[in-house]
Order: sequence, then structure tokens, then C-alpha cells
Amino acid sequence: QKEVEQNSGPLSVPEGAIASLNCTYSDRVSQSFFWYRQYSGKSPELIMSIYSNGDKEDGRFTAQLNKASQYVSLLIRDSQPSDSATYLCAVNRNTGNQFYFGTGTSLTVIP
Amino acid sequence: GAGVSQSPRYKVAKRGQDVALRCDPISGHVSLFWYQQALGQGPEFLTYFQNEAQLDKSGLPSDRFFAERPEGSVSTLKIQRTQQEDSAVYLCASSPLDSNQPQHFGDGTRLSIL
Repeated sequence: QKEVEQNSGPLSVPEGAIASLNCTYSDRVSQSFFWYRQYSGKSPELIMSIYSNGDKEDGRFTAQLNKASQYVSLLIRDSQPSDSATYLCAVNRNTGNQFYFGTGTSLTVIP
Repeated sequence: GAGVSQSPRYKVAKRGQDVALRCDPISGHVSLFWYQQALGQGPEFLTYFQNEAQLDKSGLPSDRFFAERPEGSVSTLKIQRTQQEDSAVYLCASSPLDSNQPQHFGDGTRLSIL
């Protein structure tokens, strides 16, 4: 079982819709959770970090964490074509120095 | 430019050659990470430095891979006797303090082994 699982997609949504990206992780002691956006040929860019259960909002982005279900998600409201990218979920256990990344979900926002 | 800088951006080498990849982290960042990213995959952890100390090298795939950060700033990832399976993008990331903080990535080095 992989440390971090994501649906690879591709996920397509129309412009203006809500895009929902999901991630599950295997290690219950994980404490820190991150969403990165990666455009093709570019490096990952941090979008959100979340450390406690519940929702965290930043502009059009909302991260949701449920530690009991070992589940973290990212919602993108009012999706724009410029949001088209691969979204990587990353998890840190706090017991080590390793960040575990999922394989990423490819999102396409259709104008 | 205050971001993480990596060089070269592209490297082509023949199988069996040694290569060295450089990472210049954000000034003052204590933590430095190296990752390997294959096409269509997420970054895979290679190694972690806190200042000059290499605290975790469990992700290095073989003893052909070696990393150092002698003065606690610039880091070099060296791959000896390269193999075709070493072809990937090598990403460097840094964070201000401990490893639980968000990491800032460089643009990576795309390594192609012929």
C-alpha cells in the first residue's frame, strides 16, 4: 500500500465549476498535509498546508482534513483554465523527515 | 531571485558517466531535501539535510548516489556510473526550520542518460 494515494485522473471540469481533489494516506501518525500544484515541466508550487481537522480556506482554495478517515481534499471554487495542472498531495509523519507525495491528479478546466 | 536555484537545468550523459547536480537553497533555510521525479509520478524522497548534517539518506536508491552539503548551504547530488533508470527530474527543496514546514522547490534538473 502506498503512503499517499490519489486518483490520477484526468479530472475535467468546466470553467466556473468546483473541482474536488482527493487524497488518502496510510499512516495514522501523519500530522502535516500539503497540496502542491505542478504545471507541466515546472516544479511543484505550494498551494495549501493543513495541520488540524476541519476546513482551511485561502481565496478560491479550501483544504479539508479528516484524520479519523485519513483523508485530505482540496476544493477549487470558480475554476479557471489557469488552474489546469497536476495537483500533488504530500504528507509528513512528524516522526521522520520524509515527505510522501502522491502521484498527482491531473486537472483540466475547460473554457 | 530569492528562490531555490538548481543547475544545470538539463543534463545529458552517457551511461556509465558520473554527474553532479547542484542546489542553492533559499538563504537561511535550514532544511534541504532532494527528490527524484519520474515522468507521471510524484516526487520520491531521496535525502534530507539539516544544515550540513545529512540526517536521512534512506531514499537513495543505491550506493551510486551520494549527496553532500558541506557548509550548510549549497548541496550537490552526485550520481556515479549512471544507468538509464537514473533518467528523471531531480528536485531540490528547502524549508526554513524543521522538516514539517512547507517546502519550496527549485525548477529541477532534468537528467537524461543515453
